[in-house]
Amino acid sequence: GAVVSQHPSRVICKSGTSVKIECRSLDFQATTMFWYRQFPKQSLMLMATSNEGSKATYEQGVEKDKFLINHASLTLSTLTVTSAHPEDSSFYICSATKLAGGLFSTDTQYFGPGTRLTVL
Amino acid sequence: AQSVSQHNHHVILSEAASLELGCNYSYGGTVNLFWYVQYPGQHLQLLLKYFSGDPLVKGIKGFEAEFIKSKFSFNLRKPSVQWSDTAEYFCAVNAQYNTDKLIFGTGTRLQVFP
Repeated sequence: GAVVSQHPSRVICKSGTSVKIECRSLDFQATTMFWYRQFPKQSLMLMATSNEGSKATYEQGVEKDKFLINHASLTLSTLTVTSAHPEDSSFYICSATKLAGGLFSTDTQYFGPGTRLTVL
Repeated sequence: AQSVSQHNHHVILSEAASLELGCNYSYGGTVNLFWYVQYPGQHLQLLLKYFSGDPLVKGIKGFEAEFIKSKFSFNLRKPSVQWSDTAEYFCAVNAQYNTDKLIFGTGTRLQVFP
C-alpha cells in the first residue's frame, strides 16, 4: 500500500495566528512530498514541492514566507500557514511519491485526505 | 506551459449507462497521464495511469482510459456505471522528464442515479 495521512483534518483559527499541518507517509519512505491547495469546485493547485533535507520549491505566486514547509524526515512534511487570514481558508492536500528510480522516474503521487482550514 | 482540460464539468447518468469523460492536455513532449477519483468526503485515489506501452489502460473498478497521442487525449470510460461511482474525477498529467509537477484538470462531477 501507499497510505498518506494528514493531521489535523479540520482546523479553525483566528486571523493572525499560525497553523501547522502535518503530512505523513505511513507505510513507505517518501523522498518527495507535495502540497496542494483546492478551492471549492476547483482543481488542485500545486503550492510547493519538498524533498527531504532540502528547501522546498515553491510555485510562482506562492509566498514562501507565508507557507513554511519543512520536510525533516522521509515520512513527515509540515506546512505552516503563518499569520493566517480569511483568504487563506481553503482545503490543503499533501501527496507523496515513492521513488521508482531511473533517469525518467515514473512516480505516482499518493494523496492524503486533506485538511480544511477556516480562518475567522 | 502544460495544461489539462476536462470539458464535462457535471455529468448525470442512470445506473448501467455507459460513461466517457473527456480529457485533453497541452504539452509537446512525452507525458505520463493519470485519472484520479475523489469520492464524497474521501481523499484522491488513483484510478489508472499511463506511462508507456499499450495506449488502452485498464484501472480499478472497471474503468479504462485510452491515450490517443494524435489528439492529445486520455478519455476515461466505463461501460456500465453504478451508483457507487458517484464522485469527482480528475485527469492529471506530468512530463516524463519532470514528474514533480502534476497538472490537474478542473474535474468532472459524476452523479449516478439508481
